Amino acid sequence: GQQVMQIPQYQHVQEGEDFTTYCNSSTTLSNIQWYKQRPGGHPVFLIQLVKSGEVKKQKRLTFQFGEAKKNSSLHITATQTTDVGTYFCALTTYKYIFGTGTRLKVLA
Amino acid sequence: DTAVSQTPKYLVTQMGNDKSIKCEQNLGHDTMYWYKQDSKKFLKIMFSYNNKELIINETVPNRFSPKSPDKAHLNLHINSLELGDSAVYFCAIPGPGGGYTFGSGTRLTVV
Repeated sequence: GQQVMQIPQYQHVQEGEDFTTYCNSSTTLSNIQWYKQRPGGHPVFLIQLVKSGEVKKQKRLTFQFGEAKKNSSLHITATQTTDVGTYFCALTTYKYIFGTGTRLKVLA
Repeated sequence: DTAVSQTPKYLVTQMGNDKSIKCEQNLGHDTMYWYKQDSKKFLKIMFSYNNKELIINETVPNRFSPKSPDKAHLNLHINSLELGDSAVYFCAIPGPGGGYTFGSGTRLTVV
């Protein structure tokens, strides 16, 4: 089935370092969403981006939608151990598809 | 009060058995979904139900059958379980902000 690639697949950072995950699509998107899944938990909806070039912030998290609406990024400033988990993008083409996810480990 | 509740949280069973996973939502949504997450964390939709009718049926084996006794429930019944069915299964409903609200998941292990 169709998959949306996220990069990187894994990222280990020291606590306090920044982290970014990227989501790329080959087609123009109407919107894109981001989720966080803690280890052993379920995906939790974080945000939806709709407009070209849109930037939204949630505390230390910054979400960006590309100008061409084909890619998006999630940036975490000064990571904390509570940021550990897998971050997924999700997008709608002819159906709702989740990205492959980026697993983040934060080393104290 | 949890919007989407799934039972059981863990399910260990032998190959060939038939099992069901239950999902209940208390927000009155017409649409409910089942997702499967494999060992590599890939999330894939299995079924979508709208007002007790099947809308999406992805290419899952017909051993999997969703059953919706009423609008608040969408149960997943699996016949003749195989090793490859081991995964985490999530029920979901439309959530605020445009995304989905997921249940806590059922970790199915087939031995």
